[in-house]
Amino acid sequence: RKEVEQDPGPFNVPEGATVAFNCTYSNSASQSFFWYRQDCRKEPKLLMSVYSSGNEDGRFTAQLNRASQYISLLIRDSKLSDSATYLCVVTSDSNYQLIWGAGTKLIIKP
Amino acid sequence: DTAVSQTPKYLVTQMGNDKSIKCEQNLGHDTMYWYKQDSKKFLKIMFSYNNKELIINETVPNRFSPKSPDKAHLNLHINSLELGDSAVYFCATGSGSGADTQYFGPGTRLTVL
Repeated sequence: RKEVEQDPGPFNVPEGATVAFNCTYSNSASQSFFWYRQDCRKEPKLLMSVYSSGNEDGRFTAQLNRASQYISLLIRDSKLSDSATYLCVVTSDSNYQLIWGAGTKLIIKP
Repeated sequence: DTAVSQTPKYLVTQMGNDKSIKCEQNLGHDTMYWYKQDSKKFLKIMFSYNNKELIINETVPNRFSPKSPDKAHLNLHINSLELGDSAVYFCATGSGSGADTQYFGPGTRLTVL
């Protein structure tokens, strides 16, 4: 089983729609969780951290379910500029290293 | 002003050659990383340096040798390049805990022919 699993997509979504991505992780000792965004042929950039209580940043909402070892990202009112690959990231046992999912590709269509 | 820079951006070379990739950061971070992203898009950590000391050394062939001359620089030297080394190599920096944000360089796209 992969340490961090994501549906690779692509998700083809019309502009303005709501889209949700899921991610599962295998290490119950992981302490920190993130969503990064990677545009085509660019470097990953932090989108948001994920907190136990859930957190929101504008149109983006992240949720964490520690019992099920499951992280989600919800994007509301999607824009063309949201087209990218979204990478689910968790920390390792030592909380020192990041373990990366392979990413979910999102394509927003006009 | 670029926070994390890498050179070169593209590198095309023959099997068996030796090549280096350079990384520089101006964020004042203590920790620098090298990642490899292959064609399947998995991002895998290769090395991590904290204040010029090697702290993470994943299972990477010893043909890969990182060097950190100072806190702001982390270079990667690769000997005897193989076809399977073709990938995008990203340098990243952070404050030292994996729990903190990591900032990535633009990547070096290595193609071994």
